[in-house]
Amino acid sequence: EPEVTQTPSHQVTQMGQEVILRCVPISNHLYFYWYRQILGQKVEFLVSFYNNEISEKSEIFDDQFSVERPDGSNFTLKIRSTKLEDSAMYFCASSDYEQFFGPGTRLTVL
Amino acid sequence: GQNIDQPTEMTATEGAIVQINCTYQTSGFNGLFWYQQHAGEAPTFLSYNVLDGLEEKGRFSSFLSRSKGYSYLLLKELQMKDSASYLCAVRDRGSSNTGKLIFGQGTTLQVKP
Repeated sequence: EPEVTQTPSHQVTQMGQEVILRCVPISNHLYFYWYRQILGQKVEFLVSFYNNEISEKSEIFDDQFSVERPDGSNFTLKIRSTKLEDSAMYFCASSDYEQFFGPGTRLTVL
Repeated sequence: GQNIDQPTEMTATEGAIVQINCTYQTSGFNGLFWYQQHAGEAPTFLSYNVLDGLEEKGRFSSFLSRSKGYSYLLLKELQMKDSASYLCAVRDRGSSNTGKLIFGQGTTLQVKP
C-alpha cells in the first residue's frame, strides 16, 4: 500500500541552525501539506502546496519557513534559523481526496 | 472563525461501545475527518463524512449533521489496542480550496479490561 515517508525520524539541532525536513508523498497525489504538533497540543496546519507553488499558509509559516519540491518525488520543509519553540513533530501529508500522513519528524531545538 | 470541540478524555471497557462527539464552527466546510493517533505516532485516517448521515467501516462508524455542526465517531467491540487519541478534523474550503485540515484537540480514549 502506498505511503508517505519522511526523513529523518528525529532531528536535534542548536538554536539558530537551519534544518531541512524531507518527505516523499504518495506518487499520484497532487496536494501536499506540512503540519506540526507541539507535544501535548493539537495538530496545526502550516502550509499547502499544489502545482509547484504554495497555495495557502498559516500565520505560523513566517519568513523562516520555506517549502520546495526539488524533483518529482521529494517535498521539503526548511527552517532557516530554528528557535526553541520550533521543537515539535512535523508531519507531511499528501492527498488526492483523503489526506494521508507520514510518520513525522521529531525536531528538538536546543 | 474556526472552532472544533471534542471531549479531552474518555474511558471505556473492553468489548463495549463508545461514542466520541465533535462539534465545529467553520467558514467553509468541505468534509469532516476522523483520525486515530497513538502516542508519538502520526494520525491514521479512520473515516470521512461530507454528507449528512452515517458512514460505517467495520467496527468504526462516523455520523455527520451539517446543520448542527456535529459529528460523532462510534467504536464498537472495543479492544485494548483502541486506546489512543481520536482527532476530529474539518476540511476547510478556504479561499484557495487547498483542503487544509483544521484539527480539534483530540479525545484520549482509555480502554480498560
